[in-house]
Amino acid sequence: GENVEQHPSTLSVQEGDSAVIKCTYSDSASNYFPWYKQELGKGPQLIIDIRSNVGEKKDQRIAVTLNKTAKHFSLHITETQPEDSAVYFCAASGAAGNKLTFGGGTRVLVKP
Amino acid sequence: GAVVSQHPSRVICKSGTSVKIECRSLDFQATTMFWYRQFPKQSLMLMATSNEGSKATYEQGVEKDKFLINHASLTLSTLTVTSAHPEDSSFYICSARVGPGQGGSGANVLTFGAGSRLTVL
Repeated sequence: GENVEQHPSTLSVQEGDSAVIKCTYSDSASNYFPWYKQELGKGPQLIIDIRSNVGEKKDQRIAVTLNKTAKHFSLHITETQPEDSAVYFCAASGAAGNKLTFGGGTRVLVKP
Repeated sequence: GAVVSQHPSRVICKSGTSVKIECRSLDFQATTMFWYRQFPKQSLMLMATSNEGSKATYEQGVEKDKFLINHASLTLSTLTVTSAHPEDSSFYICSARVGPGQGGSGANVLTFGAGSRLTVL
């Protein structure tokens, strides 16, 4: 089955700096890669996603890149703000179904 | 946008009792819902796929008699933790797939509920 690795597990940045989280996946058939933000005691919220026919996608301060050949994708947050502090999860799913396999999560702390 | 409501948000029960958690798609129909379990500071682990009108599909290692799933309508799936024990204490989260035309950006977009924290004493 699919295996998703996520790094780093924790990330501390100064407000205004950029944050980058990287994920790798194992199943070359995977074609959908969402990123979720989870705040303490809440469910995950989709912040951005990318499909395998696209190499990059941007939404304001958030961008995701995908390298299908290397089977890795990354989340970039620019001009970080304290409210960006949360746990971020990458995930992958393939053509066989809608099951998402999640990475281990990255705890992001933005220091004012 | 698509909203998934989960209830209760918190539940405390005694060991040996059963607990039911409800997951509702509020403004869209969901033929498929997913149940995840999350331990503190860990990732989400898929427990089962809930299919409307048919039996749920459980992931390897998940006891189907322990975690009963019922998806009786296009907007409601329930997870019942039977004979709960302290090791069942966890954060249970449901999600539903939002299809094109239902507020989603395409296939495979999952919207998650707020989660239910179960504590078994």
